Amino acid sequence: SQKIEQNSEALNIQEGKTATLTCNYTNYSPAYLQWYRQDPGRGPVFLLLIRENEKEKRKERLKVTFDTTLKQSLFHITASQPADSATYLCALVDGGSYIPTFGRGTSLIVHP
Amino acid sequence: ETGVTQSPTHLIKTRGQQVTLRCSSQSGHNTVSWYQQALGQGPQFIFQYYREEENGRGNFPPRFSGLQFPNYSSELNVNALELDDSALYLCASSPSEDYGYTFGSGTRLTVV
Repeated sequence: SQKIEQNSEALNIQEGKTATLTCNYTNYSPAYLQWYRQDPGRGPVFLLLIRENEKEKRKERLKVTFDTTLKQSLFHITASQPADSATYLCALVDGGSYIPTFGRGTSLIVHP
Repeated sequence: ETGVTQSPTHLIKTRGQQVTLRCSSQSGHNTVSWYQQALGQGPQFIFQYYREEENGRGNFPPRFSGLQFPNYSSELNVNALELDDSALYLCASSPSEDYGYTFGSGTRLTVV
């Protein structure tokens, strides 16, 4: 069966360090992958999209990698700040339906 | 851009009742999707509309139904409410299939 796995344990890091979040998937052939940020009680906010033929995408302090052989995406936040504390969701977009399917998200806590 | 607006923000209903949730998405966003998010989980796909036609449905029973209107508004109807329907309901829209989704802040539904 199809599965998207994000670490259910919260990631705690110190301000200024690089946070790395992982999204693994099985039995998917995504056309692309999206990352979202979600704050408590709010809807997700779109951050980045990376296509299956792209290895890496950057936006300001954010970097996403996509390895279709390992079936894994890594999401990096460099020079992390307490304001980056939130839950980060990955979503796989199937090439047939183009409907995003979300993982459960990983909570990031950046300590000052 | 006006973003995605959902109403109401909170709602309490009794088991067995019916509910209608509303969404106003961004002008030009022909695709609208509805998601259910339980506490601590990722958003679960309910269904998607493209230009007023349903073009995808998740693993939800027929008592979950929807409509999309020409003015970029849409609604989610749930009949015969069950306690497990208590969740955050999110509406999301996108201008095309390879863009990220813009989410509303959601409607918190509590079924008692």
